[in-house]
Amino acid sequence: DAGVIQSPRHEVTEMGQEVTLRCKPISGHDYLFWYRQTMMRGLELLIYFNNNVPIDDSGMPEDRFSAKMPNASFSTLKIQPSEPRDSAVYFCASSFGTGLTDTQYFGPGTRLTVL
Amino acid sequence: DAKTTQPTSMDCAEGRAANLPCNHSTISGNEYVYWYRQIHSQGPQYIIHGLKNNETNEMASLIITEDRKSSTLILPHATLRDTAVYYCIVRVDDGDSNSGYALNFGKGTSLLVTP
Repeated sequence: DAGVIQSPRHEVTEMGQEVTLRCKPISGHDYLFWYRQTMMRGLELLIYFNNNVPIDDSGMPEDRFSAKMPNASFSTLKIQPSEPRDSAVYFCASSFGTGLTDTQYFGPGTRLTVL
Repeated sequence: DAKTTQPTSMDCAEGRAANLPCNHSTISGNEYVYWYRQIHSQGPQYIIHGLKNNETNEMASLIITEDRKSSTLILPHATLRDTAVYYCIVRVDDGDSNSGYALNFGKGTSLLVTP
């Protein structure tokens, strides 16, 4: 398996533009997580899905952020409109939830810079 | 979830054992101890986890004290590639498939392995 795939790896955009980050989880995994990492706040969970259904989105900063999972092999995180403070590395992770040993496997991340 | 306390940074000579401590004095009976690491510019990587017994895998050993209030991750023969930030996380598993799957990363310990 290729692991969790994220695209793009780097994104530079201007304030006010829409940004879409993409994630393909490991095949067979039924949980998908979106995290954001900054120097100031470290790694923060934004939202996670179980079987394509959002379970907890309490970490989503504000209405400018939205996430979807239309099927088991694809998820998007959209920021509209983007702001400079959204600059961060965004990680997607997936796991096969068994209730006890659900290791999360992380993708390589998308480094977002909003100018 | 209970919180963890880790030293900010540690050094270790290549080839020696790296012992990374973690305090989790408020851990509950149903909380597991997980260790992840993050090598620079990569996504976090699972290392090991345990509940009360000591655990060992191909990457590391996890020693949990009898009262479960602290644990130590041991990298038996550290290499330069083990230089990374190591996160100790306690995570509840209450058997509810719709809860408790998020990982709360703290600041971690920055381990530097030197030649």
